[in-house]
Amino acid sequence: AQTVTQSQPEMSVQEAETVTLSCTYDTSESDYYLFWYKQPPSRQMILVIRQEAYKQQNATENRFSVNFQKAAKSFSLKISDSQLGDAAMYFCAYRNNAGNMLTFGGGTRLMVKP
Amino acid sequence: DGGITQSPKYLFRKEGQNVTLSCEQNLNHDAMYWYRQDPGQGLRLIYYSQIVNDFQKGDIAEGYSVSREKKESFPLTVTSAQKNPTAFYLCASSMVPGPVYEQYFGPGTRLTVT
Repeated sequence: AQTVTQSQPEMSVQEAETVTLSCTYDTSESDYYLFWYKQPPSRQMILVIRQEAYKQQNATENRFSVNFQKAAKSFSLKISDSQLGDAAMYFCAYRNNAGNMLTFGGGTRLMVKP
Repeated sequence: DGGITQSPKYLFRKEGQNVTLSCEQNLNHDAMYWYRQDPGQGLRLIYYSQIVNDFQKGDIAEGYSVSREKKESFPLTVTSAQKNPTAFYLCASSMVPGPVYEQYFGPGTRLTVT
């Protein structure tokens, strides 16, 4: 079974600075997908960024980018120019190629200081 | 507006009673999912459905039941057999079952059983 681990329960960052959230996963598969979801206080889950394992290039979405290290099974999220609205729980998730089940990490609470 | 609705937002029940959580989507998505979230933890998959009148168990299906009589609707029943039913429940849907399409989440239902 796949497992996803987020080793940082809480992180804080100063507004306008950069922060990196860590995620590691365990799988025996070669084809899979990785995601970062944001859950603000409203508890609505919002997709931040997605990475296909077969792609070597790291995904980027505006201020959000990932560092995908397939051999190390590591998938970190970098948030640049942090904004107050970035404060939320962030979940890393794994999805295998069959695609029906998301396996989530335990989450990292990000606080943004003004 | 297209989206996923879950009702009610907060639900209270006495121990020993079955309770049904509603999930409706007007996105014309084929696949629907139910997740459970406990405090400080990630989401865990309860059940999912790829087409009408078909559904599969996820990681924690014991004590839960679902039906999929219509494409738009995927209600979840929390039975009295579920030992720890108090949790936050999230419904999601995707265009087709598969890794390419992201899952869209509803706003969730907070269930408290006393």
